[in-house]
Formats: sequence, C-alpha cells, structure tokens
Amino acid sequence: SQQGEEDPQALSIQEGENATMNCSYKTSINNLQWYRQNSGRGLVHLILIRSNEREKHSGRLRVTLDTSKKSSSLLITASRAADTASYFCATDALLSGGSNYKLTFGKGTLLTVNP
Amino acid sequence: NAGVTQTPKFQVLKTGQSMTLQCAQDMNHEYMSWYRQDPGMGLRLIHYSVGAGITDQGEVPNGYNVSRSTTEDFPLRLLSAAPSQTSVYFCASSRFNANYGYTFGSGTRLTVV
Repeated sequence: SQQGEEDPQALSIQEGENATMNCSYKTSINNLQWYRQNSGRGLVHLILIRSNEREKHSGRLRVTLDTSKKSSSLLITASRAADTASYFCATDALLSGGSNYKLTFGKGTLLTVNP
Repeated sequence: NAGVTQTPKFQVLKTGQSMTLQCAQDMNHEYMSWYRQDPGMGLRLIHYSVGAGITDQGEVPNGYNVSRSTTEDFPLRLLSAAPSQTSVYFCASSRFNANYGYTFGSGTRLTVV
C-alpha cells in the first residue's frame, strides 16, 4: 500500500514557470525524500528532508514539510524542458520487527515542461 | 563509474522459467533492495538486505528469492515466472537504509509470456 500520494497526477507548464507538486502521507515518518525519474530510466534522488525540518533548498528545488498536516511540497523554480520527468515522494516506515526502515513510494506526478 | 549496475536490461521469459536478475554496487553500501514498478502503481518493495548474510521480505515477496553473500551483490531470483511478474525491476542501495537517499540502477524490463 502507498504511504505517500502525490498530487496532481500530471502537470503541464511552460518553460520558465514554477512547478509545485504535493505529497500527503498517512503515518509518522523519520524523513521524506523526493526522486525524479526520466522516462525509461531509474530514479534519481533529489532531496531528503527530516521530520524535524520544515524547509530545505537545493539549487532550483525547494521542499517543505508539514508534519502536523502530514504533507510535503516540492517546488521547482524557473522550470526547463529538461525537468520533464515523473517525480515521486518517498517516506520511510518501520518494517515489521521494528529495527529497519523501508522507503514507500507514491505513484508519482508526471511533469511536462513545454519549450 | 560508481553506482548500481543491473543486468540484463531486457528479458523475455516463458511462463514457468526461472532466471536471476543481477545487481551490483561499488559504493560499499550496507542497504540494498529490490523494487518492482508497474504502471499506475508506483514502486513496491520485494526484498531488502541490511548487510551481507541478512535479507528480509518486503511488501510483495511471493515468487522471488534473494541472497546476499557479499556487500556488493544482491541478485533477485524468479523461481517460476508468471505473467503477473511482468514489470520493470529496480535495484537500489543506500548507506544505513532510509536515513540517506537511495541510488537506483537503471532497471530490468521483464516480460513473461
């Protein structure tokens, strides 16, 4: 079952515009991560935000985390055609036995940036 | 180049055949895992390992077997392939499980006919 759910499922914008994707999750987390997947390729780690952090930046990426609402958002500023990809949020959850975490991925947001 | 290497990239199997998907990493990562990705389903965890000699099941382990004899390698075995196992399989590795970002391989696209 999915822990994180991205919204919207698909987003189409023009180059230069900002793109915002949201992620909601259900249970308490240790951290939340965002990944990008270009068509036919593996996932690439973008950014990790810990449960005690509220905002984090990396280049044109800005991630926020609201643990009270169990939600996160990924903002890509000044988007480029090369940003076209699927974006996934992933949350950790304790595996049975309570000693290890696993990452649970949402179904992703497909972002299309038109030149 | 450092990273996660998966082989083969593509495979077609007949129902009932067995095969092994290979995964190797050269980053000395303790944690390795296998996911399958199906359209509209996101990624689902099959098996994972927190170190050599230690493996455990994820969400969808049935029909798959793993072993971890070295830190570098984490092969995934399909015991008797079924059409429901048609999917894209990704291997990922990390330091200290979910406290660090995962490094993914480029995937194996498997079709079972």
